[in-house]
Amino acid sequence: EVQLVQSGAEVKRPGESLMISCEGSGYSSDTYWINWVRQMPGKGLEWMGRINPRDSYTDYSPSFEGHVTISADKSISTTYLQWTSLKAPDTAMYYCTMTHCGGACPLGTFDIWGQGTMVTVSS
Amino acid sequence: EIVMTQSPATLSVSPGERATLSCRASQFISSNLAWYQQKPGQAPRLLIYGASTRATGIPARFSGSGFGTDFTLTISSLQSDDFAVYYCQECNSWPLVFGGGTKVEI
Repeated sequence: EVQLVQSGAEVKRPGESLMISCEGSGYSSDTYWINWVRQMPGKGLEWMGRINPRDSYTDYSPSFEGHVTISADKSISTTYLQWTSLKAPDTAMYYCTMTHCGGACPLGTFDIWGQGTMVTVSS
Repeated sequence: EIVMTQSPATLSVSPGERATLSCRASQFISSNLAWYQQKPGQAPRLLIYGASTRATGIPARFSGSGFGTDFTLTISSLQSDDFAVYYCQECNSWPLVFGGGTKVEI
């Protein structure tokens, strides 16, 4: 079974750093791009960026570039989303997601989702 | 960046009724559109890709249509399990953009 499993909920203070993770299983880890999506409380979905685990090439939404860093360790099939200095507006649920579909659907269509990691930033 | 606009924001329907959700792109995206369902406390679930192809395991009461800039998701006969928020998403160009969502409620 193809699945993405994310790290647990985090509570941080403004200014702190944080790295959350997303571990893939059931597929070849360097074959599929991993994407990150933000959902602020009560709001919609926002695509943040993606990484190709094969070569760690990244692509960010302009809204998030410079604010977060996406990285990967293909040896352990894990992708990371990192902040160096959290702010209160970073409070959100973060999902990792990928296009798998057995190869049937176009890149950018997300059929596999992690369970989400809730990040709360509060003083 | 493409802007995706969904309407209505909230749709009130009764079980057994037909629901029609709209999604409009600010520029031409061919058939590069997906629809997702999200229930409270859950990750989104892919329903439709390529504007009209149902994803694996999605019931036939869900159908998608449209091309270019205007798209529709139709739920032919709403069941209690279908009350949720629905998002469209363009996958035509990067950065990918989601619509703001339509909440389908009783």
